[in-house]
Amino acid sequence: QVQLVESGGGVVQPGGSLRLSCAASGFTFSSYSMHWARQAPDKGLEWVAVISYDGSNTYYTDSVKGRFTISRDNSKNTLYLQMNSLRAEDTAVYYCVKDLGRSGSYLRGDYWGQGTLVTVSS
Amino acid sequence: QSALTQPPSASGSPGQSVTISCTGTSSDVGGYNYVSWYQQHPGKAPKLIIYEVTKRPSGVPDRFSGSKSGNTASLTVSGLQAEDEADYYCSSYAGSNNPNVFGTGTKVTVL
Repeated sequence: QVQLVESGGGVVQPGGSLRLSCAASGFTFSSYSMHWARQAPDKGLEWVAVISYDGSNTYYTDSVKGRFTISRDNSKNTLYLQMNSLRAEDTAVYYCVKDLGRSGSYLRGDYWGQGTLVTVSS
Repeated sequence: QSALTQPPSASGSPGQSVTISCTGTSSDVGGYNYVSWYQQHPGKAPKLIIYEVTKRPSGVPDRFSGSKSGNTASLTVSGLQAEDEADYYCSSYAGSNNPNVFGTGTKVTVL
């Protein structure tokens, strides 16, 4: 069965950096686009970024452009999110999301991980 | 990119139907057939229940259906059951510059 397990969350000071990882199993990781989405405490969902099946195309929401980088290692079945210059408003549970397709930037998230909490606070 | 507009809450008795709206613009909901709907129970990850406006993933009951008219998409849950009580979010493709936007979310209560 499909499993997505996020790790790397924690508490970081404003301006700091963090790298999230998502270990994927139960499907052919290299054949699907992957997304990151987030949810601030007691708030709604927000889409963050997407990467195509081969890593050749990436897209971001405006609020993280220039600060976050999505990447993948298909040999390790792992998705990453490098987060720099973190702000208090980046505090959220970050979800790794598998897409139904291999390319395109639209979200059709058929499997979600359980999420990892990132807290940006001094 | 502003969030899509959903009603904060909706409710119905068991067996009844409830419809949730998701209003955007011609740049997102109205411009593309890439509207999805997600169900989220408290403390759990979201679950895809509708994609590409009307399609249901395997395993999702046919009590869940989606539609779109103009800039507004809708999710209808027929034959409400206790386990349908959850938060529901729509999402839409919004173009390559800022590709995806979620709705504000709707809490469905089964009376």
